[in-house]
Amino acid sequence: AQSVAQPEDQVNVAEGNPLTVKCTYSVSGNPYLFWYVQYPNRGLQFLLKYITGDNLVKGSYGFEAEFNKSQTSFHLKKPSALVSDSALYFCAVRDMGLGSAGTALIFGKGTTLSVSS
Amino acid sequence: DAGVIQSPRHEVTEMGQEVTLRCKPISGHDYLFWYRQTMMRGLELLIYFNNNVPIDDSGMPEDRFSAKMPNASFSTLKIQPSEPRDSAVYFCASSFGAPNTEAFFGQGTRLTVV
Repeated sequence: AQSVAQPEDQVNVAEGNPLTVKCTYSVSGNPYLFWYVQYPNRGLQFLLKYITGDNLVKGSYGFEAEFNKSQTSFHLKKPSALVSDSALYFCAVRDMGLGSAGTALIFGKGTTLSVSS
Repeated sequence: DAGVIQSPRHEVTEMGQEVTLRCKPISGHDYLFWYRQTMMRGLELLIYFNNNVPIDDSGMPEDRFSAKMPNASFSTLKIQPSEPRDSAVYFCASSFGAPNTEAFFGQGTRLTVV
């Protein structure tokens, strides 16, 4: 079965420093990969996705993510963190090897990013 | 578009009572998903619909849970009878086409069963 792992429950970084939030996945076919952000008491907001093509994808608010097929990873990155980036981040996958059964997004458990000033 | 709209935002009910959560997807979207979020289990897919037809309900925890989508603009998730362990935030999401499109989430309904 498809799965997503976010190995860190929390990531702490100082404002202005680069940040990385890790994500690895397991699928039977080709993965479609997504990152979402959740602010307190809010729904999830889409940040970026990898479907095909360039392994480095750019998204909202200066975030980017790199797809690495050999390492089955899709880490989220930002060159310079802001205090306002503090939130809960979710990695998600669609397993295209499952056909229609892989339509729904499967989410990791989430990583809390805390950016200090 | 106003986005995915869920109601109510908060619901407090007593154990044994029936609870109905509502969702209005984004107009034109043909997929609708129900997720549940808890601290222990994270975000779990409960069920999803395509063109109002349930496709996969394997995530529905028990027969106490049921979901319907009578038309393209409305879906309900019902819990009857409710139990304290059902306390969670329930999210509805919709997307246009799949699988390479992102899903848009509502604000969620925070359910507390006492």
